[in-house]
Amino acid sequence: DAGVIQSPRHEVTEMGQEVTLRCKPISGHNSLFWYRQTMMRGLELLIYFNNNVPIDDSGMPEDRFSAKMPNASFSTLKIQPSEPRDSAVYFCASSFAGYSNQPQHFGDGTRLSIL
Amino acid sequence: AQRVTQPEKLLSVFKGAPVELKCNYSYSGSPELFWYVQYSRQRLQLLLRHISRESIKGFTADLNKGETSFHLKKPFAQEEDSAMYYCALIPADRGSTLGRLYFGRGTQLTVWP
Repeated sequence: DAGVIQSPRHEVTEMGQEVTLRCKPISGHNSLFWYRQTMMRGLELLIYFNNNVPIDDSGMPEDRFSAKMPNASFSTLKIQPSEPRDSAVYFCASSFAGYSNQPQHFGDGTRLSIL
Repeated sequence: AQRVTQPEKLLSVFKGAPVELKCNYSYSGSPELFWYVQYSRQRLQLLLRHISRESIKGFTADLNKGETSFHLKKPFAQEEDSAMYYCALIPADRGSTLGRLYFGRGTQLTVWP
């Protein structure tokens, strides 16, 4: 398996622009997680899905952030409009959650810079 | 509520010295505990999980339910061990968490030559 695949790996854009981050989870995994990592705040859980349904979005910082999971093999995290303080590394992770919870597998992350 | 505490934000040791990264948790039920490692500018990778009771890259971790700890240890640190280490917990007896991990804030380990 190729693991969790995120795109793009790097994104540099000007403030006010829309940013879309993409994630393909590991085949067979039924839970998907979006994290943000910064020096100041460390690793933060933004939102997670189970069987394509959002379970907890309490970590989403504000309405400018939205996430979707239209099917079991694809998820997006969108920021509109973007601001410089959104600059961070965004990680996607997936796992199989059931009777026995399996550990999460992380993607390589998207390094986002908002100018 | 569940909580994971890593009291040391930074930890430095010399090559060949023993290293222990501390992790304490609070959870009233039965947790599953993990250690993740993140090398510079890379993804988080699973290092250990307590139910496996294995040694990876010379690291071991033992769950101490009495002290609610899951410290990560290595008898002889190597320079390539320099990384960020995260302790994490899944409340295993609560199916509603659906695999959500509760992370500590991480410990940056630096191993000097």
